[in-house]
Amino acid sequence: DGGITQSPKYLFRKEGQNVTLSCEQNLNHDAMYWYRQDPGQGLRLIYYSQIVNDFQKGDIAEGYSVSREKKESFPLTVTSAQKNPTAFYLCASLASGGARVTGELFFGEGSRLTVL
Amino acid sequence: SQQGEEDPQALSIQEGENATMNCSYKTSINNLQWYRQNSGRGLVHLILIRSNEREKHSGRLRVTLDTSKKSSSLLITASRAADTASYFCATVNYGGSQGNLIFGKGTKLSVKP
Repeated sequence: DGGITQSPKYLFRKEGQNVTLSCEQNLNHDAMYWYRQDPGQGLRLIYYSQIVNDFQKGDIAEGYSVSREKKESFPLTVTSAQKNPTAFYLCASLASGGARVTGELFFGEGSRLTVL
Repeated sequence: SQQGEEDPQALSIQEGENATMNCSYKTSINNLQWYRQNSGRGLVHLILIRSNEREKHSGRLRVTLDTSKKSSSLLITASRAADTASYFCATVNYGGSQGNLIFGKGTKLSVKP
């Protein structure tokens, strides 16, 4: 089945460590997104990429980095510069073709990062 | 930057009752979307309404949009325990890049059997 796969589902990090969250999609979508969700809050955009080898900062990019070397993959690195990284991270991709203009997002199941 | 604000923040109803959630936003939009999130899971797209539409139906869901009041409502009829989830509205601002949705904080719906 087509979809978005995020891994790991749970991740623990010691302070000062960088960690990388994986996001893979087999939907053939051009655009991919990373959101952060804190308890009781909505989603905030970290980074997005509309095409391979190109990406833009979202609203809260500080302390994060991404790459987009392949259409299917959009990994997010949470660096030690991110002061409060404990959160639920969601990856999404944008439907293409007839649904493209609507902006409907398809989401992965999320990765929960906890800093010890 | 927060755009949509859902109301109420939490809603508890009995199975079979209708659930109504509201969303207000601040700027002109291209479209407004509603998403559902089960606890600890990803979001699932429910329904989209364009700025030139006033009402849309999908199964037990009914969405209305009032652009003059910058508000939308999501009605779930004949609710079931399986409808228990958080519901988010999200907007694509007029002239904004498609896919750069701005999400509200959500309404947490609890449907008791």
